[in-house]
Amino acid sequence: EIVLTQSPGTLSLSPGERATLSCRASQSLSDSLAWYQQKPGQAPRLFIYGVSRRATGIPDRFSGSGSGTDFTLTISRLEPEDFAVYFCQQFRISPFTFGQGTKLEIK
Amino acid sequence: QLQLQESGPGLVKPSETLSLTCTVSGGSISSSNFYWGWIRQPPGKGLEWIGNIYYSGNTLYNPSLESRVTISVDTSKNQFSLKLNSVTAADTAIYYCARHVLRGGLPDEFDQWGQGSLVTVSS
Repeated sequence: EIVLTQSPGTLSLSPGERATLSCRASQSLSDSLAWYQQKPGQAPRLFIYGVSRRATGIPDRFSGSGSGTDFTLTISRLEPEDFAVYFCQQFRISPFTFGQGTKLEIK
Repeated sequence: QLQLQESGPGLVKPSETLSLTCTVSGGSISSSNFYWGWIRQPPGKGLEWIGNIYYSGNTLYNPSLESRVTISVDTSKNQFSLKLNSVTAADTAIYYCARHVLRGGLPDEFDQWGQGSLVTVSS
């Protein structure tokens, strides 16, 4: 089973700042990585797939990058609606595992 | 616009079987481009993939749950279902159904999710 480790667990930033979230895999994933945003009481929402492709309707301040085992979700300038929990997920090998999440909170 | 909606009992007794159905609207479950999956999330915790099904009935399960899980599909009703037997308190979670995109025949991201259904295991 591929283990995904996200860091940091919690990230405290202010609106307008840049956020960098990390996801590290225990094995190489090729391009089989996605990022989801989840707000309280809501289902996860797809933000990034194929490492760097934005899902429909996702603003271009969100970008994904990385290769092999190290991946990053970057939010260039935080908006108030961006504060949420972000999960990465791998599709390289079944079972399709998730990271434990990074909580992005307002400082 | 595709929508997925989970339905089923919100309370299940220990050792019994958890049963949920996901109804897909705004699109066909018989598309060759997608799997249909179940994911769960214990309250306040992370996400766990349970398993997927293709419209033909082919399934793929998480080995950690495979001995207790059955996922089935009813294309005539545009629905797919989850059964998890011998439940314990550890199975208490929000259960989500989701559409799983296939690219080049291989599973990729979950692009559409249901709102989730909280199932509590308690006597």
